[in-house]
This record gives sequence, structure tokens and C-alpha cells, in this order.
Amino acid sequence: NAGVTQTPKFQVLKTGQSMTLQCAQDMNHEYMSWYRQDPGMGLRLIHYSVGAGITDQGEVPNGYNVSRSTTEDFPLRLLSAAPSQTSVYFCASSYGFVRDSPLHFGNGTRLTVT
Amino acid sequence: GENVEQHPSTLSVQEGDSAVIKCTYSDSASNYFPWYKQELGKGPQLIIDIRSNVGEKKDQRIAVTLNKTAKHFSLHITETQPEDSAVYFCAASRTGANNLFFGTGTRLTVIP
Repeated sequence: NAGVTQTPKFQVLKTGQSMTLQCAQDMNHEYMSWYRQDPGMGLRLIHYSVGAGITDQGEVPNGYNVSRSTTEDFPLRLLSAAPSQTSVYFCASSYGFVRDSPLHFGNGTRLTVT
Repeated sequence: GENVEQHPSTLSVQEGDSAVIKCTYSDSASNYFPWYKQELGKGPQLIIDIRSNVGEKKDQRIAVTLNKTAKHFSLHITETQPEDSAVYFCAASRTGANNLFFGTGTRLTVIP
């Protein structure tokens, strides 16, 4: 099993550009989420989904958009990149509520916005 | 929302010594406390977790303790080895929640 796969691994954007971070899981997990990791701030939840067609906001949703058309895929869109979005982004999935089943993380996408 | 504080931010120990990382949480409704290990260039990986109905849980060289009254929990690693070097994150959540609230991380270095 591949687990959670994120692409690309690295990306450099100019301010105002848009892009999509891809995330796919092959574990048939209903729950998927996006976190960003910044130095000294741990991981913070951006958006999450509890199943196909259902998404909701996390702690830091501004500037990001998501959709969930299939169980396997959960892309994260930056509509107009800003330097404050420079971060490492992690996609994670789990079978159910995070209290009841462990989160499985991808290996991250390092994004730099200049 | 929940606020999780983690200390220390960096920790260096000699191989074979023990390491302790401490976290506090603010939301008394939190009842699930996992610990994640993140190796360089990788995503975090769950290493142990504890629920609020127990005070301690062990898995070989790692253990987690929970004090609900004081709202703090700790990770203990005994007989540390160089491969234990990584960043460790504590987190908290509660029944029915869809997210984990993470601490700010501890970079553990085990010196051979």
C-alpha cells in the first residue's frame, strides 16, 4: 500500500499565482485533512472532509479551497498565493474520527511563495 | 478551542539515557492524547496514544502518562538510541472531534 501520497514534494510560486496541492490515499479512509506546519507553531488544521462531497473549515482556512469528489482524493487549492502561505503542507487521512483511529500523514509538500 | 503547550522545544540526551517531553492542554473536554514522531523529510507518525480513562500506557521503551486534574501529559523514552532522534509532537482531541490540536514540537537529539 502507498498510504497517503502528496505531490509535488517542492514548489516555488510567485505572489498571486495559483496552484493545487494533490493528495491521494489508497486505504479507503473516509476522513481526510490538510495541515500546515510552521516553525514554532506545530501543525494547524486548514480544511477537512468526512467523506466524498463533504468539507469543512479548520483553524486556518483563509486563502485555501478544497473539494472532495472521490473517497481517494482531497486536493488543496491556493487561489492567489501570498508569502504568508510559505509553509510545509501535510495531508492526512483516517478511518473515522481522529479519537477513534490514528491519522496517517503523507510526506508533505514544501511551498515557498516569493 | 484547545491550546496545547509543549516543552522543551529542544532536548539533547546521551545514548542510553531517558528523555521526557511534557505537554499541557486547556480544554477539560479533551480525552484523547496521541504522540507523533516526525523524522527528517517525512510526515508525522503515531507512536503511542492515551485516552483519559487510563493514567499510563507503555509500549516497549516508550510510555505516556496523563494527569487529568492538572491537564498535563508526558512522553517518556527510556534507553534512548540514535534512531530516536526526531521531532516529537503531542496532540489533544475529544470525542466526536474532527481535528487534533498539536503542540509546537520537541526536537530530540540522541548523542552516540
